[in-house]
Amino acid sequence: DTAVSQTPKYLVTQMGNDKSIKCEQNLGHDTMYWYKQDSKKFLKIMFSYNNKELIINETVPNRFSPKSPDKAHLNLHINSLELGDSAVYFCASSQVGLAGGTDTQYFGPGTRLTVL
Amino acid sequence: KNQVEQSPQSLIILEGKNCTLQCNYTVSPFSNLRWYKQDTGRGPVSLTIMTFSENTKSNGRYTATLDADTKQSSLHITASQLSDSASYICVVRKAAGNKLTFGGGTRVLVKP
Repeated sequence: DTAVSQTPKYLVTQMGNDKSIKCEQNLGHDTMYWYKQDSKKFLKIMFSYNNKELIINETVPNRFSPKSPDKAHLNLHINSLELGDSAVYFCASSQVGLAGGTDTQYFGPGTRLTVL
Repeated sequence: KNQVEQSPQSLIILEGKNCTLQCNYTVSPFSNLRWYKQDTGRGPVSLTIMTFSENTKSNGRYTATLDADTKQSSLHITASQLSDSASYICVVRKAAGNKLTFGGGTRVLVKP
């Protein structure tokens, strides 16, 4: 069984559209994340979320919003898509609280978003 | 500014040979450093994690070292295999606030 799954794997859309990417984890973790990986392959965290706290990277435009219907799901909704939003988006999860911050993040397979 | 710099950006090696990847960081205060392997079209997978007191840790043919004084880490791949072709990403966790800083990765291509 896939630990962290994302859908869709590929998403091609026009500028100005609104789209969502879904993420589910079956690891029982309490924290989920969204990352953006640009063409230079840098991974940048966008959000981290558990049932108590949403932490937003201040550089993320407010067109991006995480939505969590329950502990196992964290979907990413994007409004008014722009060309610069083209990237690969990764969902991840971990069990936060281990000593020394040694929790391992498990990543999904990624969603390649192309905005035309 | 907290940064993580990796070198080289890319390298090509012949199957069976060894290679070493470097990671230098300025993140402070330091909590731990993790190496990830990212296959093309997949998400990153953790290889090793090293805390302040650890100097070396192995995971199969992968051996990571850490020098917390000079703020340097390396990842050594022994007897490379074609399946080692991937990007290797160094990630440093800051002790205060738990923030993660990602390096840009080293792309390794193993040729037969």
